[in-house]
Formats: sequence, structure tokens, C-alpha cells
Amino acid sequence: DQQVKQNSPSLSVQEGRISILNCDYTNSMFDYFLWYKKYPAEGPTFLISISSIKDKNEDGRFTVFLNKSAKHLSLHIVPSQPGDSAVYFCAASAGAGSYQLTFGKGTKLSVIP
Amino acid sequence: DAGVIQSPRHEVTEMGQEVTLRCKPISGHNSLFWYRQTMMRGLELLIYFNNNVPIDDSGMPEDRFSAKMPNASFSTLKIQPSEPRDSAVYFCASSPGWDQPQHFGDGTRLSIL
Repeated sequence: DQQVKQNSPSLSVQEGRISILNCDYTNSMFDYFLWYKKYPAEGPTFLISISSIKDKNEDGRFTVFLNKSAKHLSLHIVPSQPGDSAVYFCAASAGAGSYQLTFGKGTKLSVIP
Repeated sequence: DAGVIQSPRHEVTEMGQEVTLRCKPISGHNSLFWYRQTMMRGLELLIYFNNNVPIDDSGMPEDRFSAKMPNASFSTLKIQPSEPRDSAVYFCASSPGWDQPQHFGDGTRLSIL
């Protein structure tokens, strides 16, 4: 039973356009969310996080939006660059900074030059 | 600054053999995690150490799996005896504290024939 779902296995976007990666969760105890980026043959790299007390967090080209009522979060990348091509994992925990992360299965983003 | 170092990067062995995966966390990080990634189940936490002490091993699938952290700079994950269904990518991650984002190594791709 997947508690964190990334329903789009893949996404293709033109360079310079916006990439929107989506994530849904079912466990209402989750209150801290993270996005990780993973290149082939490398480990996941932390990208950005958001606590449930916020509905938006920005870091440069990356913005995460949280809709608690819908149990949905999204990662926006603007503008998208070819180097952003990677697999993006959404993760959630119950309790800010709890060590127990539940990961989605990832969305493979391809940014086309 | 060196990241989390895992060895070997690839391991191919026959069913029934003992497998030992190694991890060197980032210096100064006192939390260490072992994960397994499979197509079916995605990334799953196997075990969490804090200050070299195993805190949560509820993700360890069977008694065939064991993990140790003899000191702050080294951890092992051992499978004995190994089975084909253990084939997966195993990641080690560390963090400065249990409530900080985790830094992942590049993983060990394990194939049990």
C-alpha cells in the first residue's frame, strides 16, 4: 500500500519551460515533505523541503507547493534546463525531520534542448 | 568535501554466498541509514543508526540481513546466505542529525544469481 504516490513515471519538457512534478500522499500524519533528485548511477541528492505549516517554499529555480487538504504537493522548476534531466523522488515523514522517510517511486524528467 | 562512500559499486555473486556491503558516512554525521531500492517497492529504509547504535531495524527483511556500525566512520550491511530476491540497489545515507536531510552514497548494485 503506497503512502506516497508519484503517478507520472516520466515527463518531457522543453528547455526553458516549466516542469511540474506531482506527488500525492495518503497518510494524514505526514507533515514534512522533501524532494530528491537522482542521476543515473548516483545516489539521490536532497533538493528542497517543506513543512506542513507552509504552503510554498522556494529555492532559486525550484518551488515546492503543498496542498494539505488535497494531500498533494508539487515541484515546479522554472526555467527547466537540460541538466535537470533526472529522476525526482518525493518523500514524506511524520514529524518535521523524522528519520523515517517514505519515498514515492519517482518521476523521470527529461528536459529537451 | 567527500560524500558518503559505498563499496563495492557492483557485486555479482551466487545464491548462498555471503555478501558484505560497506559504507563510510560523511565525517561528523551521527545518523546513518541503509536503504534498498527495487522496482517493485522503490526505496525502503532497512535500518537506522544514531551515534553508532542501531535505533530502528524494523525494515530489515529477514534474519539473513544484519548491519553493524563499529565506529563513527564505518558501517556494514551483511546478507548471509544471499538469495536471488535480494538483488537490488543498496544505498547508505548519513545526516548531521536525525532531523536533517539525508546525504546518499552512490549505492551498491547487487545481483544474486
